[in-house]
Amino acid sequence: DADVTQTPRNRITKTGKRIMLECSQTKGHDRMYWYRQDPGLGLRLIYYSFDVKDINKGEISDGYSVSRQAQAKFSLSLESAIPNQTALYFCATSDPGQGGSQETQYFGPGTRLLVL
Amino acid sequence: GDSVTQMEGPVTLSEEAFLTINCTYTATGYPSLFWYVQYPGEGLQLLLKATKADDKGSNKGFEATYRKETTSFHLEKGSVQVSDSAVYFCALSNAGGTSYGKLTFGQGTILTVHP
Repeated sequence: DADVTQTPRNRITKTGKRIMLECSQTKGHDRMYWYRQDPGLGLRLIYYSFDVKDINKGEISDGYSVSRQAQAKFSLSLESAIPNQTALYFCATSDPGQGGSQETQYFGPGTRLLVL
Repeated sequence: GDSVTQMEGPVTLSEEAFLTINCTYTATGYPSLFWYVQYPGEGLQLLLKATKADDKGSNKGFEATYRKETTSFHLEKGSVQVSDSAVYFCALSNAGGTSYGKLTFGQGTILTVHP
């Protein structure tokens, strides 16, 4: 079984709808992240959480919110979806025990979102 | 702020050709450097990393050396295979201040290898 899972894998929605993307992990990591990937732009950080009580904005958090329901679960919500939020969304986890800036991030398979 | 710049793609090679994907970075302090690979339809996975100057990361025949003097971390492989076709991302992580634990990615380079 995959260590980091994302649901749904694909989603089509309409402008103005609220949607939630879910991420679960079995790696036991405290740190979790949400990124979006756009062609030619690499991955950009939306939100990150270093433990259940710690939520932080990334570089492109406008229009998004998150919820860390448990160590293993981190959800991303689009309160009112708009077409320029069409992208590939990735969840990732990491273990601070690796020390400082050296920690490896482990990625889920991604959710492809299309906003019409 | 921190930034990573990768060579423009896409890159198309024949099997057994030599591969170089250039990566340069801008960062304060002493970042760790990474190459991640994304195979079609999958999430990213770590390919290799280096945590200090002059370190060489290697995995699956790929290598990259952390060059602080040229702020570079170029990815190389001596003989590519069709199975290496993927998107490659250079990234850095900086332990300083508010950047702690976060990755900054380059824009990605698409590699296609033909038989």
